[in-house]
Amino acid sequence: QVQLQQSGPGLVKPSETLSLTCTVSGGSMFTHYWSWIRQPPGKGLEWIGYMYYSARATYNPSLKSRVTISVDTSKNQFSLMLTSVTAADTAVYYCARSSQGAWRYDRWFDAWGQGTLVTVSS
Amino acid sequence: QSVVTQPPSASGTPGQRVTISCSGSSSNIGRSTVNWYQHLPGTAPKLLIYSSNQRPSGVPDRFSGSKSGTSASLAISGLQSEDEADYYCAAWDDSLSGPVFGGGTKLTVL
Repeated sequence: QVQLQQSGPGLVKPSETLSLTCTVSGGSMFTHYWSWIRQPPGKGLEWIGYMYYSARATYNPSLKSRVTISVDTSKNQFSLMLTSVTAADTAVYYCARSSQGAWRYDRWFDAWGQGTLVTVSS
Repeated sequence: QSVVTQPPSASGTPGQRVTISCSGSSSNIGRSTVNWYQHLPGTAPKLLIYSSNQRPSGVPDRFSGSKSGTSASLAISGLQSEDEADYYCAAWDDSLSGPVFGGGTKLTVL
């Protein structure tokens, strides 16, 4: 049973960089896509981006200029960096594993981290 | 405002059957499968339905999903108090090159 454990600070100052890490246990990092998703207070879920271990990351266009997702298979971890944060980036951030069916448009998130509330405030 | 639309709320009494709709377009639901997630406050979302109508192991068969054209729906039969949660649909969006979530539906068990 795969488990995802998130780590990282819960408070970030405006204009600084948000950094979170997700450690994967009980599963291979070579057979799935790895994603970050967030939920601002009182709002719905928003996909941030995903990465396959051997490919370039793909990002939500609304965040693309500020986001970097990386995978470190030697540590069984993947990470999120979001630069120049503002109060609008305050949200619960989730890491998640994506599985795929028979075709590229058939994908789903079948394992999630516990979530990290990140507050952007001075 | 999400490009995939769900009703903000739904309700039912114990034992009742409720359905939650999810409406998209040809760039998302129209060309991909749909997934449904159950989200309880303070917990991680849980996959309920994948590939439009498949249940992961451990999900009761009270939950079912369907898709037709650019719309999808989640049905919950034999409603129970523990079903009270937020429900999100999601589909791959070609213009996003990634998944798009519906705005979520808050289900209340009366």
